[in-house]
Amino acid sequence: GQSLEQPSEVTAVEGAIVQINCTYQTSGFYGLSWYQQHDGGAPTFLSYNALDGLEETGRFSSFLSRSDSYGYLLLQELQMKDSASYFCAVPNQAGTALIFGKGTTLSVSS
Amino acid sequence: DTAVSQTPKYLVTQMGNDKSIKCEQNLGHDTMYWYKQDSKKFLKIMFSYNNKELIINETVPNRFSPKSPDKAHLNLHINSLELGDSAVYFCASSPSPAGELFFGEGSRLTVL
Repeated sequence: GQSLEQPSEVTAVEGAIVQINCTYQTSGFYGLSWYQQHDGGAPTFLSYNALDGLEETGRFSSFLSRSDSYGYLLLQELQMKDSASYFCAVPNQAGTALIFGKGTTLSVSS
Repeated sequence: DTAVSQTPKYLVTQMGNDKSIKCEQNLGHDTMYWYKQDSKKFLKIMFSYNNKELIINETVPNRFSPKSPDKAHLNLHINSLELGDSAVYFCASSPSPAGELFFGEGSRLTVL
């Protein structure tokens, strides 16, 4: 089967850097995605890594190591508006849908 | 123009009733999905349609019946509602199966 593990909660202060880890088990690998969801809102796409290494998009970066079945989302210069849930996701075995981790709730305080 | 829209946004109903949620996307995507998000925020795939054809039915009770009249629409009908069906149901679309997902705003179902 497939599974994704990520921490349930992370707290940080404004201006700090936080890393949200995700380890996955899957047979066949087609890439790791990250989604952000604010309370009461819909998940929105943040990033996608198909190959090893770091992908940077503004204050957010995502890293993948396929040999370790591991990735992380790095959020820099944290702002209050970054308080949200963050989900890692991988395609299912058939490649027909994304399977999500249980989400990490990030709380940013001033 | 909302890319993925679903209605209604809120449903409150009694156990045993039947309800439907409608979803439409104007992105020209081939693949549409229904996800269920429970109170612990776990997002679980329920159904996936590609070009109106069902490609995933993830051990969902047969009280749930999706229907895709065309590529742009995917509706969800739920019969004989149970307390455990209370959740937020998200419709999503992607250009191809397991591609980047574009979610609707969600429909919060409360079964009393």
